[in-house]
Amino acid sequence: ETGVTQTPRHLVMGMTNKKSLKCEQHLGHNAMYWYKQSAKKPLELMFVYSLEERVENNSVPSRFSPECPNSSHLFLHLHTLQPEDSALYLCASSQDKGDTQYFGPGTRLTVL
Amino acid sequence: KNEVEQSPQNLTAQEGEFITINCSYSVGISALHWLQQHPGGGIVSLFMLSSGKKKHGRLIATINIQEKHSSLHITASHPRDSAVYICAVKTSGSRLTFGEGTQLTVNP
Repeated sequence: ETGVTQTPRHLVMGMTNKKSLKCEQHLGHNAMYWYKQSAKKPLELMFVYSLEERVENNSVPSRFSPECPNSSHLFLHLHTLQPEDSALYLCASSQDKGDTQYFGPGTRLTVL
Repeated sequence: KNEVEQSPQNLTAQEGEFITINCSYSVGISALHWLQQHPGGGIVSLFMLSSGKKKHGRLIATINIQEKHSSLHITASHPRDSAVYICAVKTSGSRLTFGEGTQLTVNP
């Protein structure tokens, strides 16, 4: 248990659906991250939020929309996804940008 | 070519063996992380290094900044050590660049 939770753990959606992934951290951290892990590929950083402001957007398609309403919660809103978006989506948090990151268990997303 | 290369990609060992996983990188870094990912996806941070050596239980991590190389060693390996071990380097700000991981299987 790392103090970072993610829901749902598994999600299957069609290309026309809209869904959201949720991440919550109970560590008092002020930076949160979304990563994508595709099969046989390294982890890819998607977004970074620091003090609830988005400080990094790593050329992610607009069908992925992050939201950070407060320092403990991070969402990833999904719409009109493609099958190649199927992957494990991991959330992480850290005390400050650049500090050791604590990862959640991930959401396994399948897009049909 | 990935900026972070790990070797081997897959490693099978017998319980009790000494294990070494290597990481080489081609960019300037401020720190290097070793992470462990168990089946199901959860990732745990094992070490963050900027120089020298760190030890935690049966795990030892070393880094040579001049040679741009780090190693993760596991002594007296156990089946519960079976996981993917990932090397990641911190280049600028908050950005981490990850290796592809090493799948370790320790057989009883």
